[in-house]
Amino acid sequence: AQSVAQPEDQVNVAEGNPLTVKCTYSVSGNPYLFWYVQYPNRGLQFLLKYITGDNLVKGSYGFEAEFNKSQTSFHLKKPSALVSDSALYFCAVKVGGYNKLIFGAGTRLAVHP
Amino acid sequence: EPEVTQTPSHQVTQMGQEVILRCVPISNHLYFYWYRQILGQKVEFLVSFYNNEISEKSEIFDDQFSVERPDGSNFTLKIRSTKLEDSAMYFCASRGQGPNNSPLHFGNGTRLTVT
Repeated sequence: AQSVAQPEDQVNVAEGNPLTVKCTYSVSGNPYLFWYVQYPNRGLQFLLKYITGDNLVKGSYGFEAEFNKSQTSFHLKKPSALVSDSALYFCAVKVGGYNKLIFGAGTRLAVHP
Repeated sequence: EPEVTQTPSHQVTQMGQEVILRCVPISNHLYFYWYRQILGQKVEFLVSFYNNEISEKSEIFDDQFSVERPDGSNFTLKIRSTKLEDSAMYFCASRGQGPNNSPLHFGNGTRLTVT
């Protein structure tokens, strides 16, 4: 079965420190992977995607993600966290022909001043 | 930047009542989706809609659910007889005609509370 796992319910980071939010996937074939962010009382906002090519993908708000095929991972990273990055982050994988997304359980990122 | 808009932001209904959740996708988008997020749980796919018909639906999307695009702009989700377990945040999303790996654009959601 195709699935996405986010092993951490919450990640705590001090402002200015690098952050990593972990994601692993299980799909048949080549994965199309996405990261979305959800701020309180808002919908999901697209951050970045991996389709093919360079394993390091750059996205919105200074975020990037590294695709690792051997480890079936797609971890979200940022070199220097901001308090305003505090939100709920979802990793997702596309399945099927109509861009149906399977989401991970989400990871709450808390950046402390 | 164009947005997906959803109304109402919060809907309270009694068990057994019908509800219609409304969405206005981005105007030139062709693919439409409903997802839901039960409080504290993951975002779950409900249904995708393309060319005026359902293209895929999940096991959650049973006969109580239906979707419609009644005109050129709205995309609705109807729950015929609501149950307590239908309480969730419902997100509408749309996608343009680009590659089928182009990202979905989500609305801010409708919080449905069934009492």
